[in-house]
Amino acid sequence: QVQLVESGGGLVKPGGSLRLSCAASGFTFSDYYMNWIRQAPGKGLEWVSYISSTGSTIYYADSVKGRFTISRDNAKNSLYLEMNNLRAEDTAVYYCSRDGSGSPYRAAFHFDYWGQGNLVTVSS
Amino acid sequence: SYELTQPPSVSVSPGQTVSITCSGDKLGDKNACWYQQKSGQSPVLVIYRDTKRPSGIPERFSGSNSGNTATLTISGTQAMDEADYYCQAWDSSTNVVFGGGTKLTVL
Repeated sequence: QVQLVESGGGLVKPGGSLRLSCAASGFTFSDYYMNWIRQAPGKGLEWVSYISSTGSTIYYADSVKGRFTISRDNAKNSLYLEMNNLRAEDTAVYYCSRDGSGSPYRAAFHFDYWGQGNLVTVSS
Repeated sequence: SYELTQPPSVSVSPGQTVSITCSGDKLGDKNACWYQQKSGQSPVLVIYRDTKRPSGIPERFSGSNSGNTATLTISGTQAMDEADYYCQAWDSSTNVVFGGGTKLTVL
């Protein structure tokens, strides 16, 4: 069965850095576009970034552009999010999610599997 | 930037039919999908490509999308359907966009 397990969250001071990881299993990771989506406490969902199956195509939300970096290691079935210069407004549960296309050549832009989420708290 | 608008809350009696709307400019020209998020849990995809249900999603969930509005309809609503529902689409200017979410209360 498909599993996405995030790790690496925690408490960090404003201006600090954190790296989230997402371990994927139960499917051919290298065939899928992957995404990071976040949810601030008590708020709605916000898309953060996506990466193509090979890592050659990457997009970011304007709110994180220049501060966050998405990457993947297909040999390790893992997705990453490097977060720098963190702000209080980055406080959220961060979800790793799989694009529902099933094709390594294009995204469908709907997300058929989500991880359990990992809380990142930015506070002094 | 592209925006999707949902009503903040909707209520329904058990066994009745409820519709949740999602509005956006020319949304009918895009693929809309819907997620259900129960309290303390991760979102679950319930409708994709406007009308399609993933395996395991009950038939009482259906979707439509035309003009500027996508609609999620739950027929014969059950207590277990109480949750937050989010619409989502992709736009070339904004990439992935979510609606603000609708809290469904089953009274």
